Amino acid sequence: LAKTTQPISMDSYEGQEVNITCSHNNIATNDYITWYQQFPSQGPRFIIQGYKTKVTNEVASLFIPADRKSSTLSLPRVSLSDTAVYYCLVGERRALTFGSGTRLQVQP
Amino acid sequence: DGGITQSPKYLFRKEGQNVTLSCEQNLNHDAMYWYRQDPGQGLRLIYYSQIVNDFQKGDIAEGYSVSREKKESFPLTVTSAQKNPTAFYLCASSITPYSGNTIYFGEGSWLTVV
Repeated sequence: LAKTTQPISMDSYEGQEVNITCSHNNIATNDYITWYQQFPSQGPRFIIQGYKTKVTNEVASLFIPADRKSSTLSLPRVSLSDTAVYYCLVGERRALTFGSGTRLQVQP
Repeated sequence: DGGITQSPKYLFRKEGQNVTLSCEQNLNHDAMYWYRQDPGQGLRLIYYSQIVNDFQKGDIAEGYSVSREKKESFPLTVTSAQKNPTAFYLCASSITPYSGNTIYFGEGSWLTVV
């Protein structure tokens, strides 16, 4: 199971773009990369998932370089409501270990 | 609406008691999971089940037990052997236990030892 490494915390201001990078040096060929968001006292919710290159949806973009040993979650123009913990998950089977995540604090 | 229902939202346990947290899903998912989250920490996997009548220990299974008699139900029992059970417990499910499938979470249950 690929282990992931993320920054413990990040700070930003409203309207800025935030990029959170996740390292997963031991990613396997069949592994997907998935990002979740968690607010206090709630369960995490799916943000975005990718396998390679770039994926974009209505809330975020996910950039994955060719070697797939890292990935970057990009949140465009964050608002106060984006203050949360963000988790990067990697793995094929038992892709269930969330780790500590990155705590994003958005300031006005 | 489809989703995962956990109950109760808040539960208090006396020392030496066993308590059971309920988790029901109507998403027709094969895989179900239980996580524990301590304040300011990430999620730790307690148990998971890939299919009915099957379940596997996660990273912190000691002091916990589960059953999977029905596809839609995956209750978690916190036994008296769990010495520090105060935490936020999250139940989740996915179509299958592969990383390509989204994991859906319930609203969580707070357990406090009194």
